[in-house]
Amino acid sequence: EIVLTQSPATLSLSPGERATLSCRASQTISIYLAWYQQKPGQAPRLLIHDASSRATGIPARFSGSGSGTDFTLTISSLEPEDFAIYYCQQRNSWPLTFGGGTKVEI
Amino acid sequence: QVRLVESGGGVVQPGRSLRLSCAASGFTFRNYAMHWVRLAPGKGLEWVAVLSYDESNKQYIDSVKGRFTISRDNFRNTLYLQMNSLRTEDTAMYYCARENRAYSSDWYMGDWGQGTLVTVSS
Repeated sequence: EIVLTQSPATLSLSPGERATLSCRASQTISIYLAWYQQKPGQAPRLLIHDASSRATGIPARFSGSGSGTDFTLTISSLEPEDFAIYYCQQRNSWPLTFGGGTKVEI
Repeated sequence: QVRLVESGGGVVQPGRSLRLSCAASGFTFRNYAMHWVRLAPGKGLEWVAVLSYDESNKQYIDSVKGRFTISRDNFRNTLYLQMNSLRTEDTAMYYCARENRAYSSDWYMGDWGQGTLVTVSS
């Protein structure tokens, strides 16, 4: 099973600041990584797939990068609605796995 | 628009069974792979199972193999998760999710329902 380790666990920032979230895979997964956003009481939302492709309707302030074992989600300038938990997910091999999440808080 | 509505959750004793349903609308259900994902209290997301659009590929996380069965009814536009021999560690919000692209085996979850809560407790 591929283990995804996200860091930091919590990121404390202010609106307008840049957020940089990390996801490291226990073995190489090429570009087969997605990022999701989840707010309390809501369903998750797909932000990025294949490491750097924005999903439909996702604002340009969200960007993804990386390949192999190290991946990054960047939010260029935090909006109030961006404070949430972010998860990475790999699809390189079964079972599909998620990282433990990074909470972006004000 | 895409709509996924889960139902069937509730409180159940360990060892008992429950069947979850996910009613889909707003898209051609038979063209999409469908997933179940859960979120346990205080934990992160955990993928549970997937069924491909043509039912040729069915996968499960190890902890539910032999206990859970994913299935679909393309006439009723409904996804199911039959959960047998439930354990306390199965307690979670269960979400159904649609594959991101039609006819795809990308295994990314593009649209999600709001979830149904399963509590396994004596």
